[in-house]
Amino acid sequence: ETGVTQTPRHLVMGMTNKKSLKCEQHLGHNAMYWYKQSAKKPLELMFVYSLEERVENNSVPSRFSPECPNSSHLFLHLHTLQPEDSALYLCASSQDSNQPQHFGDGTRLSIL
Amino acid sequence: SQQGEEDPQALSIQEGENATMNCSYKTSINNLQWYRQNSGRGLVHLILIRSNEREKHSGRLRVTLDTSKKSSSLLITASRAADTASYFCATESKGTGFQKLVFGTGTRLLVSP
Repeated sequence: ETGVTQTPRHLVMGMTNKKSLKCEQHLGHNAMYWYKQSAKKPLELMFVYSLEERVENNSVPSRFSPECPNSSHLFLHLHTLQPEDSALYLCASSQDSNQPQHFGDGTRLSIL
Repeated sequence: SQQGEEDPQALSIQEGENATMNCSYKTSINNLQWYRQNSGRGLVHLILIRSNEREKHSGRLRVTLDTSKKSSSLLITASRAADTASYFCATESKGTGFQKLVFGTGTRLLVSP
C-alpha cells in the first residue's frame, strides 16, 4: 500500500470512446504527476500539478486532458485515442522537491 | 537524449550474489533517486541521494554518487529471488521550481534460486 490509488487497473477502449483515469493520494502531498510508461522507453512525464495548479505540460497531445479538483485527486480524461497510446499510465505524488515520489500501481490502457 | 541511463540493461545472477547497477546522467542535479518496479506494478522508491552526499545505505542497498563523473551505482548485497524486478534511476535537476524527475530505461534484474 503506497498511499496512492489508481482506478481502473485495466481499461480497454476503442479509438472513439471517452474515458477517465482516476488517481487519489492519502499522503497529504502537494504535488501530483501523470506518467506514461511504454515498452522499452523511459518513463515519460506528462503533467505536473503543484498546489492544484498545472505547472508542466510536457508536449502532450490534446486528446489527453488532466484535471486536479483538489490536492488529493487527479484525473486524466481520454478521448479519441490512438493505438500508440496503449501503455501503463502511472500517477505519483510528492511533497516539495528533494523528496521521493510515491506511485500508484497504474492503469494498463489498451486501445483497440 | 535521456538524462539517466542505466547499465546494464539486464542482469541475471544467483541468489546470494551481489548485483551492481550503474546510472549516468548529463546535467546538474539536486538529487538522484533509485526506484524498483515489479512486473505490472507501480514504482517503489528505494533511496534518494542528494548532490552533496557521496554514499547512502538502506538495509542491503548501497548507493554511491559521483557528481564529477555524473554517475551513480546501486549495489544490492546478498540478493534474493524476491529482488527480481526492474530498477530505475531518476534525476531531479536544479532550478525547475518544482519536482521534475527524469527516468532512465532501467535495469532488469533476475535473481535465480
